[in-house]
Amino acid sequence: QVTLRESGPALVKPTQTLTLTCTFSGFSLSTSGMCVSWIRQPPGKALEWLALIDWDDDKYYSTSLKTRLTISKDTSKNQVVLTMTNMDPVDTATYYCARIRALGVDDSSGTFDYWGQGTLVTVSS
Amino acid sequence: DIQMTQSPSSVSASVGDRVTITCRASQGISSWLAWYQQKPGKAPKLLIYAASSLQSGVPSRFSGSGSGTDFTLTISSLQPEDFATYYCQQANSFPLITFGQGTRLEIK
Repeated sequence: QVTLRESGPALVKPTQTLTLTCTFSGFSLSTSGMCVSWIRQPPGKALEWLALIDWDDDKYYSTSLKTRLTISKDTSKNQVVLTMTNMDPVDTATYYCARIRALGVDDSSGTFDYWGQGTLVTVSS
Repeated sequence: DIQMTQSPSSVSASVGDRVTITCRASQGISSWLAWYQQKPGKAPKLLIYAASSLQSGVPSRFSGSGSGTDFTLTISSLQPEDFATYYCQQANSFPLITFGQGTRLEIK
């Protein structure tokens, strides 16, 4: 079955760089149409899409955060890594990784059908 | 970027009620819309894709409709486990994704 799991530090200091790893199983990121995204959710607030990497190693970022984000993948390890620079207390959130398939793959393309459990990252000195 | 606006932001209802939540896109998104349910401390769960298709395993009391800019999620007869927050998500501009701000469904 498909599973995803986020890992990384629970606490980072302001101005530091956050590195999160998504380790997944049950699918391959080298399969055509397969993608993994990062989404975050500040406490009590809405979901915010951050970044996506696809099977062809193309990378896409939120317009508002693109200067601070880098997404990469290690297909052999079934891992996707997100880095976010210059962390600020407003970046305190639960960070999720989720699977999504490119449009046209099947009827449920473009939706997040499997999610990790999320990891809470607090930014504080 | 395509903006997604949900209404209401919160709604109170009773078990057995019919509830409708609306999502409006800032520009046409065809039927590239999904709905998610999120319970406290949990990841979102996919309910509806392609505006009106029910994800496998989701109860049939959930339904979705709409196309273009206006969409609705309807729960025909609320059950105790349905009290949660609901989000819409557009994929028309894939891979640039946007979510609505959420609708909190509370027990009256």
